[in-house]
Amino acid sequence: DQQVKQNSPSLSVQEGRISILNCDYTNSMFDYFLWYKKYPAEGPTFLISISSIKDKNEDGRFTVFLNKSAKHLSLHIVPSQPGDSAVYFCAASASGAQKLVFGQGTRLTINP
Amino acid sequence: NAGVTQTPKFRILKIGQSMTLQCTQDMNHNYMYWYRQDPGMGLKLIYYSVGAGITDKGEVPNGYNVSRSTTEDFPLRLELAAPSQTSVYFCASSYGEPAYNEQFFGPGTRLTVL
Repeated sequence: DQQVKQNSPSLSVQEGRISILNCDYTNSMFDYFLWYKKYPAEGPTFLISISSIKDKNEDGRFTVFLNKSAKHLSLHIVPSQPGDSAVYFCAASASGAQKLVFGQGTRLTINP
Repeated sequence: NAGVTQTPKFRILKIGQSMTLQCTQDMNHNYMYWYRQDPGMGLKLIYYSVGAGITDKGEVPNGYNVSRSTTEDFPLRLELAAPSQTSVYFCASSYGEPAYNEQFFGPGTRLTVL
């Protein structure tokens, strides 16, 4: 039972344009959502998060949008840069939970 | 600060062999985690610990064991290695609950079982 799903295994975007990565979840108890970024041969690193009391959180070029009724969140990167090429994991957790549930990841490639 | 360190970086095992993947963090974090990443399958939680002496199973614990005798160390033991355990293993730590506290990951151990 995949509680967090990233249905696009890969995404290719031109440098300077917007990258939109999508994530869906099924567990209504999830109320915190996070994005992690992973470069090859490295461990994932935290990127940005959002609480269910918000519908948007912004940090520089990165914005996460949350649509609770659709159980959907998205990560927007504007403008996209070559250094953004990486695998992006969506993750979710419930308040008080001791663990995260990760999606399968989306490989983002930014083309010059 | 070294952060989260994992050894070895690479290992090839024969079916039926055993090994221990080492994980150490120097951030005085209470929470520690072991994940495996299979191609296209994301990160699956194997075991986690919320403090020394406390461990619990994640999604995919079968074939693995852990111990947490100190705050710093969280070794993962593979007994009777099987080809299905071929994967990249990541150790992570956080100060507290992962919803509110960033998880810091090690660089990973790439394990092949032949």
